[in-house]
Amino acid sequence: QKEVEQNSGPLSVPEGAIASLNCTYSDRGSQSFFWYRQYSGKSPELIMSIYSNGDKEDGRFTAQLNKASQYVSLLIRDSQPSDSATYLCAVNTPGGSNYKLTFGKGTLLTVNP
Amino acid sequence: DVKVTQSSRYLVKRTGEKVFLECVQDMDHENMFWYRQDPGLGLRLIYFSYDVKMKEKGDIPEGYSVSREKKERFSLILESASTNQTSMYLCASSRLTEPQHFGDGTRLSIL
Repeated sequence: QKEVEQNSGPLSVPEGAIASLNCTYSDRGSQSFFWYRQYSGKSPELIMSIYSNGDKEDGRFTAQLNKASQYVSLLIRDSQPSDSATYLCAVNTPGGSNYKLTFGKGTLLTVNP
Repeated sequence: DVKVTQSSRYLVKRTGEKVFLECVQDMDHENMFWYRQDPGLGLRLIYFSYDVKMKEKGDIPEGYSVSREKKERFSLILESASTNQTSMYLCASSRLTEPQHFGDGTRLSIL
């Protein structure tokens, strides 16, 4: 059973701080990793993809991947109230001739003005 | 940009009705997916398809069926709607190893 675990939160940070969101996964064969942002009542929106160990930066967002520890994280610098949302970690794992994307249940982030 | 379009944002149906949810993508993606999302339960995969006329069961297929007659269109069918199928339904599409892109969702209420 492939699993993706996230702290459900809520994670509360003040405006301007760094928000750190964490995710662990169980299948060592997982090959690609994604972070989605979901505002209340809306659908998930892809914000970051990462495929190899290390850091990947895009604006205020940095994704970090450590395959040896089976750990992926998302850092949000200079957090804004508009970043308040649920963040979903998703892990893509090959299985047979196909791939399966497994989602965590998400971490609710609240950024306080 | 990838565009995944779901036919309705909000839908209200009655118990026992046959309900059709439609999804269309414009990026020639091979893969299409149907999820439902409920508070505290996260995204749960109902059915998916890797090719035209091909379908595979996800984690919670009971009470649902799907149809994929054309590559760009993937339909979810509730054969006889029940109140426990009240939920947010999300369609997504992707290429094989790439991330999924979601439609806006359909909030379905079964009365």
